[in-house]
Amino acid sequence: GAVVSQHPSRVICKSGTSVKIECRSLDFQATTMFWYRQFPKQSLMLMATSNEGSKATYEQGVEKDKFLINHASLTLSTLTVTSAHPEDSSFYICSASVLAGGPGDTQYFGPGTRLTVL
Amino acid sequence: AQTVTQSQPEMSVQEAETVTLSCTYDTSESDYYLFWYKQPPSRQMILVIRQEAYKQQNATENRFSVNFQKAAKSFSLKISDSQLGDAAMYFCAYRGGGADGLTFGKGTHLIIQP
Repeated sequence: GAVVSQHPSRVICKSGTSVKIECRSLDFQATTMFWYRQFPKQSLMLMATSNEGSKATYEQGVEKDKFLINHASLTLSTLTVTSAHPEDSSFYICSASVLAGGPGDTQYFGPGTRLTVL
Repeated sequence: AQTVTQSQPEMSVQEAETVTLSCTYDTSESDYYLFWYKQPPSRQMILVIRQEAYKQQNATENRFSVNFQKAAKSFSLKISDSQLGDAAMYFCAYRGGGADGLTFGKGTHLIIQP
């Protein structure tokens, strides 16, 4: 149980285009999902918290107009990178909590999406 | 803001031996949760072990155990009987009582020597 999927696993796009990444909880409902970014050989950095039915909460320094998050249902959150540029190239990982999203709930991670912007 | 520090960029251990990975954190909260995640070359994050700050007893999961020192804000991971499959990046992570996302340390690259 507690499986989180991401699609696509890898995407290459041209500079200036938009890319959508999907995060799904396959066997549980998640009121809260999180989006992280990981540069090569670095740690994960929290970008935003996605709440079903409400606006996402972005971490300081993350452009909300560039990284659009939509938590459309209890099993799906999407991250859209708008007008992507080469510096947006990174590994994007989502996570979801099994239960109600409380602090004690374990977060389960998706397999990640590698974005390359040419 | 909370910070998590992993001072060992890389550790190497012989197969079947024991290794301890260090982690310290800084917080002003009294209620929080600590985690160790493993990231193999596939980059899939895998939960290794978790510890609730209000629990004094150290968490254990088979060959993995932690040494949680709340006053010292230390949360080390001990891996016993190391196996080749344990080779990975290990990240220490903190989550506060506000149901926020995780704050990660920079990671420790664990190498298992056969």
